[in-house]
Amino acid sequence: GESVGLHLPTLSVQEGDNSIINCAYSNSASDYFIWYKQESGKGPQFIIDIRSNMDKRQGQRVTVLLNKTVKHLSLQIAATQPGDSAVYFCAEILKGGSRLTFGEGTQLTVNP
Amino acid sequence: DAGITQSPRHKVTETGTPVTLRCHQTENHRYMYWYRQDPGHGLRLIHYSYGVKDTDKGEVSDGYSVSRSKTEDFLLTLESATSSQTSVYFCAIGKGTQYFGPGTRLLVL
Repeated sequence: GESVGLHLPTLSVQEGDNSIINCAYSNSASDYFIWYKQESGKGPQFIIDIRSNMDKRQGQRVTVLLNKTVKHLSLQIAATQPGDSAVYFCAEILKGGSRLTFGEGTQLTVNP
Repeated sequence: DAGITQSPRHKVTETGTPVTLRCHQTENHRYMYWYRQDPGHGLRLIHYSYGVKDTDKGEVSDGYSVSRSKTEDFLLTLESATSSQTSVYFCAIGKGTQYFGPGTRLLVL
């Protein structure tokens, strides 16, 4: 079946560096993508979203890039801080749908 | 947590006992969801609701039932808990972007 997955299960960066977390999807009918952050012992927290008619969207210190040609999504975190340490999930919604399909997550560790 | 509470936050129970988890929202949203989260499986949808008394199955619904008698509450019931249902359960609300509650850690012995 169709799936959303992540290239790397873990990512370790130095404080102050930029982080890039990648996500691949395989369903061309995917219309909407969301990045979530999950800290230990907490529920997933919405970070940023992007629609399929966009290539890029920026938030506070975060940027999401969407490459529909290769079905690839990335989350860039600028000047990574220790508080950014968490598991990051991408999720997709098909056009007209309401159900999210999640990837398994990437553990980001920020070293001081 | 976007006005979403879950109760209990932690529960230990024995195999074969019934368990009910509660999700309460103050956002008046039509759509509510129950997920379970397990290592190696990520978040998987159990059941969801698109209105009062309107529910549907997700990808891992076997062994679970749900009820929604009012907009703000969505209940998840394990009729006879099994050890394979040991997990962290999350409630979410929203259509499109979903917002998650803090989770319930359930241990079935």
